[in-house]
Amino acid sequence: GENVEQHPSTLSVQEGDSAVIKCTYSDSASNYFPWYKQELGKRPQLIIDIRSNVGEKKDQRIAVTLNKTAKHFSLHITETQPEDSAVYFCAASDTGTASKLTFGTGTRLQVTL
Amino acid sequence: EPEVTQTPSHQVTQMGQEVILRCVPISNHLYFYWYRQILGQKVEFLVSFYNNEISEKSEIFDDQFSVERPDGSNFTLKIRSTKLEDSAMYFCATAGRAGTDTQYFGPGTRLTVL
Repeated sequence: GENVEQHPSTLSVQEGDSAVIKCTYSDSASNYFPWYKQELGKRPQLIIDIRSNVGEKKDQRIAVTLNKTAKHFSLHITETQPEDSAVYFCAASDTGTASKLTFGTGTRLQVTL
Repeated sequence: EPEVTQTPSHQVTQMGQEVILRCVPISNHLYFYWYRQILGQKVEFLVSFYNNEISEKSEIFDDQFSVERPDGSNFTLKIRSTKLEDSAMYFCATAGRAGTDTQYFGPGTRLTVL
């Protein structure tokens, strides 16, 4: 089955700096890659996703890149703000009927003033 | 914006007891999922459900677990005889389509087994 690795496990940046979180996946059939933000005690919230027919997607300060050949995808957050502090999970899924999400192990992002 | 809802928000139970966790999906969604998250760990897939039957289940989803959609709106997860290691946050998620459609997560039920 699919295995998703995520790095780093913790990331501390100063406000205004950029943050990059990287994930790799193992199943070449995976073609949908969402990123979720989870604040303490809250539900995972989708912040951006990318499908395999594109290599990059951007939404304001957040961007995701996908390299299908290398089986890795990355989340980029620019001009970080304290409210960006949370745990970020990457995930991978295929187009099968079940379409379960396989999550990475999470990155705790701390944005300091 | 419609949201997935779950009840209860927190359930405390004794080991060996049965618990039922409830989820109300977004109204036009057809695909339903249960995930769990042990404190401080990643979110893990339990089971997916479509067209009134299980589509896929993980190794975690053993004979102690069952799911159903009893009245066409609620989607429930039952644990027949809870174990200490079942203590976790259980998230329901729903999607309008399979494949590349977004899965929306509910707020979760924190299950504590004593």
